[in-house]
Amino acid sequence: DAKTTQPTSMDCAEGRAANLPCNHSTISGNEYVYWYRQIHSQGPQYIIHGLKNNETNEMASLIITEDRKSSTLILPHATLRDTAVYYCIVSRSNDYKLSFGAGTTVTVRA
Amino acid sequence: EAGVTQFPSHSVIEKGQTVTLRCDPISGHDNLYWYRRVMGKEIKFLLHFVKESKQDESGMPNNRFLAERTGGTYSTLKVQPAELEDSGVYFCASSQDRGRQEQFFGPGTRLTVL
Repeated sequence: DAKTTQPTSMDCAEGRAANLPCNHSTISGNEYVYWYRQIHSQGPQYIIHGLKNNETNEMASLIITEDRKSSTLILPHATLRDTAVYYCIVSRSNDYKLSFGAGTTVTVRA
Repeated sequence: EAGVTQFPSHSVIEKGQTVTLRCDPISGHDNLYWYRRVMGKEIKFLLHFVKESKQDESGMPNNRFLAERTGGTYSTLKVQPAELEDSGVYFCASSQDRGRQEQFFGPGTRLTVL
C-alpha cells in the first residue's frame, strides 16, 4: 500500500472548518483514500473514503487532487468533540488491512 | 443496532499468566479483525476472520497468540503466556464485506502485563 504523510498536529477553532492534509504521492490507480479517527479512549471510527472524486457525507468532505497525490479532509464546523487523532490510509479496494500511521492530532479549541 | 463489543475493557495480569480477550462483532458481519496498539507504537493489524475461517494471520506476533472464532460469531484472542511487551490496547473490528467497506471498531481492551 502507498505510504501517507500527515502533519503531526494541528489546532482548530471551534465552529471553524478544519482542513486536514494528507500526501500520498505513490498512490496507485486502484487504491482508495480512507480517513479514520480515534477519539481518546475509543476505538477508531470510519469517517469517509474516496477514489478520485470528491466525497461528502454527514461527517466530513474529502477533496482529492486531480493527480491523486494528495487529499484534504474537511470538517466543516469543528466542535470540541472532534478533538481526536485523524488517520489518512491508502488501501486497495480488495484489501482489508488498515495500516494506521501516526496520524494528525487535531485539537479543537473553544 | 449494537456496535462491536469487547470484554474485558481492562485486564491486568502478571507476566507468564494467560489472558483471553473476547470480541462480539456486529450481528451479520462475516468479517472480523483484530488490531493492537502497543505502547508508543502505531495501531497494527493482527488477523482477519471470514466467518469462522482465518483468512490472514500475518500480523500475529508469535505463537503465544491464538485467535478463534468458533461458529463464526464472537471471537477470542488468547495470550499464553503473556509477556511484558504484550501490554497495549487490543481492538476488534467487523465489517459486512471485505475491502471497500468501513470497519466498525470496538472500544478496545487495555491489557497490562506486570
